[in-house]
Amino acid sequence: AQKITQTQPGMFVQEKEAVTLDCTYDTSDQSYGLFWYKQPSSGEMIFLIYQGSYDEQNATEGRYSLNFQKARKSANLVISASQLGDSAMYFCAMREATSGTYKYIFGTGTRLKVLA
Amino acid sequence: NAGVTQTPKFQVLKTGQSMTLQCAQDMNHEYMSWYRQDPGMGLRLIHYSVGAGITDQGEVPNGYNVSRSTTEDFPLRLLSAAPSQTSVYFCASSYQAVNTEAFFGQGTRLTVV
Repeated sequence: AQKITQTQPGMFVQEKEAVTLDCTYDTSDQSYGLFWYKQPSSGEMIFLIYQGSYDEQNATEGRYSLNFQKARKSANLVISASQLGDSAMYFCAMREATSGTYKYIFGTGTRLKVLA
Repeated sequence: NAGVTQTPKFQVLKTGQSMTLQCAQDMNHEYMSWYRQDPGMGLRLIHYSVGAGITDQGEVPNGYNVSRSTTEDFPLRLLSAAPSQTSVYFCASSYQAVNTEAFFGQGTRLTVV
């Protein structure tokens, strides 16, 4: 069954330091996508980064990188050089190709607070 | 660029009332879905659709109905509102492919008293 687990309800990081947000997933499918979204206090959902199950290299988008460990079924988000504006809720999500429905399933989220 | 338009932004209902949350997208996305967001629970899938005339249940469908008569619109109906349905609701759409991100509406904060 499709499942996403985020075990860190809240995290603190000093400004300019790097932080890793954990995400593990469960799927029996071979083809799937992993996503991270940011939700600032204003409430909108912002897409950050994508990793495909067949991608051999970790995805990067500016200060965001996704540490993909397929055998361990983990897809951790790394934010380098944290900024105050990174304070937000972060959601990990997965999409499977099984059955053609491509359902999006989200984790419970991690609230990140960047300290000045 | 309209993207995903979700209305209303705020709503207060009395227990037992019914209402419809509207969601429309102009990106010709096949996939549309509704989520509810509750503290500590993340986004939970209520219903989703992979095209006009096709809908299916997600994780928490009880108390909600959907229909998809056009590609653009995917309304969510609360049949008889209950305090347990107090939540923030998001509509999202995307292309029907494993590597495409979801586009979200601005959310609806619903309070049932």
